Amino acid sequence: GAGVSQSPSNKVTEKGKDVELRCDPISGHTALYWYRQRLGQGLEFLIYFQGNSAPDKSGLPSDRFSAERTGESVSTLTIQRTQQEDSAVYLCASSPRSGAGGNQPQHFGDGTRLSIL
Amino acid sequence: DAKTTQPNSMESNEEEPVHLPCNHSTISGTDYIHWYRQLPSQGPEYVIHGLTSNVNNRMASLAIAEDRKSSTLILHRATLRDAAVYYCILRGPNAGGTSYGKLTFGQGTILTVHP
Repeated sequence: GAGVSQSPSNKVTEKGKDVELRCDPISGHTALYWYRQRLGQGLEFLIYFQGNSAPDKSGLPSDRFSAERTGESVSTLTIQRTQQEDSAVYLCASSPRSGAGGNQPQHFGDGTRLSIL
Repeated sequence: DAKTTQPNSMESNEEEPVHLPCNHSTISGTDYIHWYRQLPSQGPEYVIHGLTSNVNNRMASLAIAEDRKSSTLILHRATLRDAAVYYCILRGPNAGGTSYGKLTFGQGTILTVHP
């Protein structure tokens, strides 16, 4: 079946521009996560959506970063006034639910490679 | 989140078993032990998880120490496709204990498989 889909797969932009990254989760998955992975590093959590609950934004590095999700569908991560340190692979994951009894695995997309010139 | 400690790298030969260790001495009673792996230029892939008992699935086995302060991911017969970075992650409940959210990734273990 279809997995988590992210677009674009690669994005090159100039410093100071805004970028928007898209994530299509697996159908029916209520939980959606965004992570960032800098070159040679592990993943850093950014934000987590669970159903209609308020998102957990605790990982967003600055107010230039924001994310939206409509219902249980597509999510977009927006980075305003990009800086060179924003260069990284941005990964999205989804899971069926994240209840205490569930502890469901996360299914990842292959990410968007963002390069800031 | 409680932290895990893994070797930076390990090597194996094809078709031999691989034992990937993970130390997590500060694990709490509600923390699950998760393993993910990441192949080059791909997103992480779930491998296995457990709480207290050993677990087996089609990909691997997870052996958890009796005191839960360490665990070992076992690949029974390594293949070239198993070459990846393996992450051992403790996943605990959010404040309020009603849900399990983010994964906290460390540096992982780079596994090299030789033909």
